[in-house]
Amino acid sequence: AQKVTQAQTEISVVEKEDVTLDCVYETRDTTYYLFWYKQPPSGELVFLIRRNSFDEQNEISGRYSWNFQKSTSSFNFTITASQVVDSAVYFCALSEFPGGSYIPTFGRGTSLIVHP
Amino acid sequence: DTAVSQTPKYLVTQMGNDKSIKCEQNLGHDTMYWYKQDSKKFLKIMFSYNNKELIINETVPNRFSPKSPDKAHLNLHINSLELGDSAVYFCASSQGTGGRISYEQYFGPGTRLTVT
Repeated sequence: AQKVTQAQTEISVVEKEDVTLDCVYETRDTTYYLFWYKQPPSGELVFLIRRNSFDEQNEISGRYSWNFQKSTSSFNFTITASQVVDSAVYFCALSEFPGGSYIPTFGRGTSLIVHP
Repeated sequence: DTAVSQTPKYLVTQMGNDKSIKCEQNLGHDTMYWYKQDSKKFLKIMFSYNNKELIINETVPNRFSPKSPDKAHLNLHINSLELGDSAVYFCASSQGTGGRISYEQYFGPGTRLTVT
């Protein structure tokens, strides 16, 4: 079973629309970390946010916001007033601590296409 | 000043050849990784090195071997290349994984390997 599920393979929106990218994870650890990364068409992977399992506060950074809910094992990412430059593949990742080292697992990514 | 660099950016080679990809980070991080990204954008961790010790080795063929001459470098050697090895390979680094904290990863620009 996938540990990180990004059910939306591709999302297409028009500029200025709000869009939410879903991430559902599975873990038995009580201590774990969640991440979001962005991969624009140029190919590089860029870190966006890190959240640990004890911090359920939502985070807002400009047009980006993240909603972490342990009750539903979800860590969703919302882009408000999307722009063409937001077009990218977005990855959610889970880092667990099974045997003394953190091992990151990435979801399969959601491709976001923002049309002008 | 590039944080994580990889060379070469593109690598085209024939089946059966042996090749290496170099990675260097100037962030002072303790842990470095190698990932393989397939044509469907799936990111799979291959190796992780912490202070020159291998701490993760996923089920990758032993034709792949990481070599870390020092904390700032983690090179990837591939022997007897196969068609299925064609992919984009990313190097990454993060702060040490000691303790119960998992830090975000900083990725290199990727190396697109094509095996013909």
